[in-house]
Amino acid sequence: DAKTTQPPSMDCAEGRAANLPCNHSTISGNEYVYWYRQIHSQGPQYIIHGLKNNETNEMASLIITEDRKSSTLILPHATLRDTAVYYCIVGYEALNFGKGTSLLVTP
Amino acid sequence: EAQVTQNPRYLITVTGKKLTVTCSQNMNHEYMSWYRQDPGLGLRQIYYSMNVEVTDKGDVPEGYKVSRKEKRNFPLILESPSPNQTSLYFCASSTPGFTEAFFGQGTRLTVV
Repeated sequence: DAKTTQPPSMDCAEGRAANLPCNHSTISGNEYVYWYRQIHSQGPQYIIHGLKNNETNEMASLIITEDRKSSTLILPHATLRDTAVYYCIVGYEALNFGKGTSLLVTP
Repeated sequence: EAQVTQNPRYLITVTGKKLTVTCSQNMNHEYMSWYRQDPGLGLRQIYYSMNVEVTDKGDVPEGYKVSRKEKRNFPLILESPSPNQTSLYFCASSTPGFTEAFFGQGTRLTVV
């Protein structure tokens, strides 16, 4: 499975959009991009996934570059409850979590 | 309600005493997996299963066993626990490809 690179931490003001980047330059053609988040020590929570096209659901939007070597998770209006560690995962048959990005949403 | 249930949530045990952490899902998912989470190391996969009677090693399988006799259950077995297995453990289930995986609430294990 391809490896991902994420910034270790980011801040975002409440109500603003949070844009979390992820690099996955070694992604192969059949590998999806998944995003999960983990709030404190709870079980990780699925957010969104995509293959080539941009995706949107009730939680977030996923923007994947045309060459698929990077992606951005967008939380359009971040709230305090969005403070969590966000994991970008690339793969097909297994979820291999890296260290993720710790997002802090501030009042 | 879609659920992955792990038991126990907390466990303190002694070195060498066999233990089993149970995991059950009610979504009829084919894929199930176990992870451990340690400070600074993130979530690491221990074992996974793509269907009944099919299991494969993840990144850190040493010291662990699993079985998948029924679709809904995927127990994690520590035959002879050691202190380096003190960790937070998560079970997960999903449809094929690990898309939209559901995770349990975790089991915090301490081996003394």
